[in-house]
Amino acid sequence: EAGVAQSPRYKIIEKRQSVAFWCNPISGHATLYWYQQILGQGPKLLIQFQNNGVVDDSQLPKDRFSAERLKGVDSTLKIQPAKLEDSAVYLCASSLVGDRSQETQYFGPGTRLLVL
Amino acid sequence: GQSLEQPSEVTAVEGAIVQINCTYQTSGFYGLSWYQQHDGGAPTFLSYNALDGLEETGRFSSFLSRSDSYGYLLLQELQMKDSASYFCAVGNQAGTALIFGKGTTLSVSS
Repeated sequence: EAGVAQSPRYKIIEKRQSVAFWCNPISGHATLYWYQQILGQGPKLLIQFQNNGVVDDSQLPKDRFSAERLKGVDSTLKIQPAKLEDSAVYLCASSLVGDRSQETQYFGPGTRLLVL
Repeated sequence: GQSLEQPSEVTAVEGAIVQINCTYQTSGFYGLSWYQQHDGGAPTFLSYNALDGLEETGRFSSFLSRSDSYGYLLLQELQMKDSASYFCAVGNQAGTALIFGKGTTLSVSS
């Protein structure tokens, strides 16, 4: 079974530039999460999708971050314009739908973003 | 606010047993999960407790006391490859995303 795929793996940009990350979840996983992990901290949820609908985007800085999952499969997270504090690893995870779906989330390798 | 507290660092030697504690304060509680993350790697699922008691999975066990808002991860017969960060995470309600602690860095030496 293929895991969660993410690209790019690394990205270096200057502040005020824009950047986009892509995620392809495990086949059949209806729930997709984007997390931000700052160095030395645990992952923090940015947005959760179920199929192509948003379940929770309460912690997404909507003035600069946007995400979509148009066909209910792969997803794109965009930052525009980037700030220095956006330097972090952006993790995509997926899980099955169900009462215990949160029990096991499968994470991708992440995209390491450095904003200069 | 919602918070999960766990020690920042733990050190141990090969073959030893180590316990990583986690206390949580969240608006709701559906279950406590544990994830392992090696440097530069993705978090991987280790264990989950929805009810009080001990869950055992090979060398790893996890315990939960809902009345104390407390859980722990027990790692036995430590190996060098267990050196990693360990995160506890809480689900507020069914089907929601996880709230992660800041992680505990475990260093295993020979």
